[in-house]
Amino acid sequence: AQSVTQLDSHVSVSEGTPVLLRCNYSSSYSPSLFWYVQHPNKGLQLLLKYTSAATLVKGINGFEAEFKKSETSFHLTKPSAHMSDAAEYFCVVSDYKLSFGAGTTVTVRA
Amino acid sequence: DTEVTQTPKHLVMGMTNKKSLKCEQHMGHRAMYWYKQKAKKPPELMFVYSYEKLSINESVPSRFSPECPNSSLLNLHLHALQPEDSALYLCASSQGAERGQPQHFGDGTRLSIL
Repeated sequence: AQSVTQLDSHVSVSEGTPVLLRCNYSSSYSPSLFWYVQHPNKGLQLLLKYTSAATLVKGINGFEAEFKKSETSFHLTKPSAHMSDAAEYFCVVSDYKLSFGAGTTVTVRA
Repeated sequence: DTEVTQTPKHLVMGMTNKKSLKCEQHMGHRAMYWYKQKAKKPPELMFVYSYEKLSINESVPSRFSPECPNSSLLNLHLHALQPEDSALYLCASSQGAERGQPQHFGDGTRLSIL
């Protein structure tokens, strides 16, 4: 079975500083990985996806993630945080169903 | 704006009521999903429909009854729910149910059981 582990339950950053959300995966074969964001009282929005093409994946709203097979990681980054980035972020691996990490809550300080 | 539309946005019901949640997508997707999400937790898969046929039931109690009338619509019929069923119910769709397909989510129905 495939699974993901989000290493931080909560990340707090200042507006304009970089954001790093860490995710490790476990998979017996080449995984399909996603990052989703959920703002309060909203559904989940797809930020980006990795499906064995380029290891550096660019997503929406300035986010990107790097797939590192040697480290079994798929960390999400953004160079400069904005107040609107405050939300819950889920790292997800796709098998016959989506397996979600526990989530990382991002707060952005003005 | 989300491309998966869920109605109603909020629902309060008693334990003896019967109600339905509705989900609609017009992206031509052939797989649709129901999830349950409790506060501060990731979504939990309930049902998967592929080409309008139920393909996965994650051991959901029979008080939840899904229905897929056509490729664009998905319903979740509710009957005799319990207080612990209070949650956000999310619908999602994808092009197919194969591995690697990203899912597109609606904004959910927030359900409260009195």
